[in-house]
Amino acid sequence: EVQLVESGGGLVQPGGSLRLSCAASGFTFSHYAMNWVRQAPGKGLEWVSVISGSGAITYYTDSVKGRFTISRDNSRNTLYLQMNSLRAEDTAVYYCARDHNSGYLSNWFDPWGQGTLVTVSS
Amino acid sequence: EIVMTQSPATLSVSPGERATLSCRASQSVSSNLAWYQQKPGQAPRLLIYGASTRATGIPARFSGSGSGTEFTLTISSLQSEDFAVYYCQQYNNWPLTFGQGTKVEIK
Repeated sequence: EVQLVESGGGLVQPGGSLRLSCAASGFTFSHYAMNWVRQAPGKGLEWVSVISGSGAITYYTDSVKGRFTISRDNSRNTLYLQMNSLRAEDTAVYYCARDHNSGYLSNWFDPWGQGTLVTVSS
Repeated sequence: EIVMTQSPATLSVSPGERATLSCRASQSVSSNLAWYQQKPGQAPRLLIYGASTRATGIPARFSGSGSGTEFTLTISSLQSEDFAVYYCQQYNNWPLTFGQGTKVEIK
């Protein structure tokens, strides 16, 4: 069974940093691009970032460029999101989501993890 | 950035009735469109990709259509478990973008 389990969320002050992790199991992790998608409380979904299976290719939404870094450790089957210079508007549930297809950036998501809540507040 | 606009924001439907949800793109996304279902407190679930291909395990009552800028998700006969929020997502251009969602509620 494919499983994605996020961790690392919590309360952080504005300007602070946090690193999220997503532990993957049930599939060949290195064969799939992985994504972070967030959802502010009571709001819709916002794609944040993607990383290719090898880690060589990354993309970000404009609002997090220069502040967030996506990475992966294929030996540990784990995806990361390093978040720096956090702002109140980064408050959201952060989901990791696998690309549907292996081998290339398919860019639609299946499955999703259960999410981890990040709250940026003083 | 491609803006995805969903309508209506809320759709009130009786069980057993048909539901039709719309998604419009600010520019053509070809058939590079997916639909997701999200229930309260749960992660989204993929329903449709390629505008019209059902994901594995998705019941046949869910169907998608459209291309270019106009897309439709149809639920042919609503079941109790279908009351949820539905999102469309384009993957034709970076950044990937979602619509704001349509809530399907019990009438």
